[in-house]
Amino acid sequence: GAVVSQHPSWVICKSGTSVKIECRSLDFQATTMFWYRQFPKQSLMLMATSNEGSKATYEQGVEKDKFLINHASLTLSTLTVTSAHPEDSSFYICSATDLAGAKFHNEQFFGPGTRLTVL
Amino acid sequence: QQPVQSPQAVILREGEDAVINCSSSKALYSVHWYRQKHGEAPVFLMILLKGGEQKGHDKISASFNEKKQQSSLYLTASQLSYSGTYFCGTATQGGSEKLVFGKGTKLTVNP
Repeated sequence: GAVVSQHPSWVICKSGTSVKIECRSLDFQATTMFWYRQFPKQSLMLMATSNEGSKATYEQGVEKDKFLINHASLTLSTLTVTSAHPEDSSFYICSATDLAGAKFHNEQFFGPGTRLTVL
Repeated sequence: QQPVQSPQAVILREGEDAVINCSSSKALYSVHWYRQKHGEAPVFLMILLKGGEQKGHDKISASFNEKKQQSSLYLTASQLSYSGTYFCGTATQGGSEKLVFGKGTKLTVNP
């Protein structure tokens, strides 16, 4: 399998501040990264699809100005939660896949997640 | 459209078998199975592509019936480490692999 890291693992911030979460593919080039959020005991909800070098595609109902996604390289995507509020508190998970490569057959590999708590 | 998983929860004793089903109302390109333990990220188990595929490793296997638009995950001779929530993720087209996840099946394996 492949390794995907996320940083930080957890973050506590005050309401109104911005938080940046990094997602890195460590041993493969990720043509596509996905960002999910998960509330306790619930399923993973896709927020956006991020392709290297292009604008992210957001799912319906996800505010692109609030959740800024940048996929600057084939190994790094960032999610910035701007002007965070308590309702943004959640578990944010990224996944990465290499659709162009032959090593993996479209598997998505998940990062360990980032738990965001907004006070 | 979110796939439907059943059952929602299952409790087993170590060594027993379980089947988790995942059904979709749409034609599927692929089905991905993951296991998630509390507070951790999902761990990839396997992917099944279109075409009546079956796969397995160790004592976990899965099948994909594209005509019925469903997949089943089979856990045999369950171990304590199998405990967790199992999610199926479905893709309706290849190339993007955007997945829609079911609500999950919570599996508890007791000694």
